[in-house]
Amino acid sequence: DAEITQSPRHKITETGRQVTLACHQTWNHNNMFWYRQDLGHGLRLIHYSYGVQDTNKGEVSDGYSVSRSNTEDLPLTLESAASSQTSVYFCASSESKGNGELFFGEGSRLTVL
Amino acid sequence: QQPVQSPQAVILREGEDAVINCSSSKALYSVHWYRQKHGEAPVFLMILLKGGEQKGHEKISASFNEKKQQSSLYLTASQLSYSGTYFCGTEIGGTYKYIFGTGTRLKVLA
Repeated sequence: DAEITQSPRHKITETGRQVTLACHQTWNHNNMFWYRQDLGHGLRLIHYSYGVQDTNKGEVSDGYSVSRSNTEDLPLTLESAASSQTSVYFCASSESKGNGELFFGEGSRLTVL
Repeated sequence: QQPVQSPQAVILREGEDAVINCSSSKALYSVHWYRQKHGEAPVFLMILLKGGEQKGHEKISASFNEKKQQSSLYLTASQLSYSGTYFCGTEIGGTYKYIFGTGTRLKVLA
């Protein structure tokens, strides 16, 4: 069965370190998204991609970057982790046609000390 | 800008009804509704396209008023399994990019 997986599921890091969260989907979807979820804010869009070599900034992109070298993967990098980036991160993907239903990964809980 | 959801939280008894509202300051192309159980990923419930249509999923239905830039989710005869956080996701201009509301926490008690 096609799926979308995130790793690591839990990570603790220190302020200033670089962190990369992986997202891998086997749906062959062109569209991929990264959201962060915080209490009181719901899901906020960080970055998104409509295909290979395409990346776009979302609502809360400062301090984050992504790259899309193939269809399956959209890694999210925190160049210099800050305590304000402690959050649960969700990756999602969707087709470029149809109803645009988002398929979410299980989430990655990141704690920055 | 995130759409505004109301209420922020609601507690129901089994069999009671609830309405969750989603309001945007921008013109909408479509609206998605998702439910998230605690500790799990959000799961798609339905999509509403502009045109004022209403759709249903089991005893959960929704409406979309394009002119008012609002959508409402109706939960009828709620069940324990309906507990969770509900999010609306608003799409602008057919971009397949969704901006989510802040969520509505719903708890159904036996």
